[in-house]
Amino acid sequence: AQTVTQSQPEMSVQEAETVTLSCTYDTSESDYYLFWYKQPPSRQMILVIRQEAYKQQNATENRFSVNFQKAAKSFSLKISDSQLGDAAMYFCAYTSGTYKYIFGTGTRLKVLA
Amino acid sequence: DTGVSQDPRHKITKRGQNVTFRCDPISEHNRLYWYRQTLGQGPEFLTYFQNEAQLEKSRLLSDRFSAERPKGSFSTLEIQRTEQGDSAMYLCASSLGLGSNTEAFFGQGTRLTVV
Repeated sequence: AQTVTQSQPEMSVQEAETVTLSCTYDTSESDYYLFWYKQPPSRQMILVIRQEAYKQQNATENRFSVNFQKAAKSFSLKISDSQLGDAAMYFCAYTSGTYKYIFGTGTRLKVLA
Repeated sequence: DTGVSQDPRHKITKRGQNVTFRCDPISEHNRLYWYRQTLGQGPEFLTYFQNEAQLEKSRLLSDRFSAERPKGSFSTLEIQRTEQGDSAMYLCASSLGLGSNTEAFFGQGTRLTVV
């Protein structure tokens, strides 16, 4: 069965600094997709960034980038120039042909002014 | 507003009562998902519709749970004879497309408290 593990329950970063959130997963599939979702307090989850497993190039979206290591089954999220609005729960998620998402337990990111 | 909407946002019910939640997906989205999220955990998959067909159900979805999506539009999730363990946030999401890489859009959820 596929699993997603986020080993950092909470992280803190100083405003304008860079932080990396870790995610590992386990699957026997060769074709799958990975996502990072952000869940602000009392608000809905929104997609931050996605990565197709067949693409070697790491995805980037403005200040957000990933380090995708397929052999190691690792998918970390780097947030550069952190802003107060980045404070939220961040969930790593996996999906393959079944379309359902499998989420990790989340990392709470605190941004310090 | 063109996002996913869920109603109600909060529900407090007594143990043993039945509750029903509604989800209105983004109008052109053919896929609809229900997830459950408990405190300190990530969302757990409950069930998935493609149009009006319920294609997959998690083993988390006991016989007390039933979901429908008539005409492939809105969806309802009903919990019968609620138990305290049912207390959680129930999330609905929708997406468009046939591939696995399409973004799922989430609603704000319905928080259920069973007392």
